[in-house]
Parts: sequence; C-alpha cells; structure tokens
Amino acid sequence: EVQLVESGGGLVKPGGSLRLSCAASGFTFSSYSMNWVRQAPGKGLEWVSSISSSSSYIYYADSVKGRFTISRDNAKNSLYLQMNSLRAEDTAVYYCARHIAAAGIYWFDPWGQGTLVTVSS
Amino acid sequence: DIQMTQSPSSLSASVGDRVTITCQASQDISNYLNWYQQKPGKAPKLLIYDASNLETGVPSRFSGSGSGTDFTFTISSLQPEDIATYYCQQYDNLPPTFGQGTKLEIK
Repeated sequence: EVQLVESGGGLVKPGGSLRLSCAASGFTFSSYSMNWVRQAPGKGLEWVSSISSSSSYIYYADSVKGRFTISRDNAKNSLYLQMNSLRAEDTAVYYCARHIAAAGIYWFDPWGQGTLVTVSS
Repeated sequence: DIQMTQSPSSLSASVGDRVTITCQASQDISNYLNWYQQKPGKAPKLLIYDASNLETGVPSRFSGSGSGTDFTFTISSLQPEDIATYYCQQYDNLPPTFGQGTKLEIK
C-alpha cells in the first residue's frame, strides 16, 4: 500500500524554526517527485514546494521562498521541509504528496494525513 | 500566478440530485486541471486528472469536462458519502494553484 506519513509539526514561536518529515512506503520513492502542500485552518489548499526525484529541480511558492528548504533522502525514503523564520501566517496543516507525471500531465496522489504547524507566541 | 475561481463556494443538495461545480481559470490552461475531494479532517484525494479522466477506483458518478478556461465537475447522483469539499487545481504553470473550494452538504 502506498503510504505517506508526516511528522514534526507542533507549536513554535514567531521567528522560530521547525523541520517536517514525510516517510514514504509502498512505492519506489526515488522515482518520484514530491511536494509539500499546506492548508491554513478553515482555508483552502496552497502548494508550498516541490522537489524532483534526484533533487535536481526544486521549486518554492513565493510566500516561503528564502525561508523554507525542501530536501529528500532517497536512501531513507524520506522527504523534509526545513522551515525557518516562521510567521503566524505559516500556521497550517502541512501535507506531503507524491507527484505523478505522465506525458506532460501531472497530479498529486496520494497525500499524507498531514501535520499541524502552529506559529504563535 | 494563475487564479482559479470555483463556484459556488457552498452547495446544499439532496441525495440523488445532480450536482455541478464550475472552475474558471484566469488564463488558458488547456486540459491541465485536476479535481480533488477532501472529507472533513482528512487529506485531499484525487478524483479526476487532466480535466476529464477518472482516477482508478473512483465511482463513475463523478465526471469532469472542459478545456481552456472553463471547467465543470459533476456528480450525477449525489450520495451521502460525497459530503466533502471539492477543489480544482491547475498545473499549466508553476506554481500549481487551487480553487478556493466548494463545500457540499446534504439538504
């Protein structure tokens, strides 16, 4: 069964840092690009960052560029999101999602269950 | 960034009803549109990719259509388990962007 399990969320003060992890199983992790998508409480979905299978291509939303760093360890089947200089507006459930691509089309599937990050003093 | 506008934002319908949600892109995105279902407290789940292709295992009462800037998501006969929020998502350009969501409730 394909599974993604996020961890590392919690309460952090503004300006603080947090590192999220996403453990993948049930598929060949090193063959897929991966994404982080977040959802503020009661709000919609916002793509945060993506990383290609070999880490050659990395992209960020403007809202997190320069503060967040996506990375992966294919040997450990794990995806990470290092979040620095956190702001109240970064409060959200953070989902990792596998990137499925074929013939120029792509989608996110599956998604993990999410981990809640709360930025508050 | 490409803006995705869904309508309505919320919808109340009866079991068995035909339900339609629209999604409009701020520029031509060809067929590069996906639809996701998010049940309360759960992660989003892919239903339709590339505007009209049903994901494996998804019931056939769900369908999608459209191209360019205007897209439609339809549930042909609403079931109680379809209560969720539905999101469209474009992937024509980075960043991939989502509609604001349509919350579907049972009347």
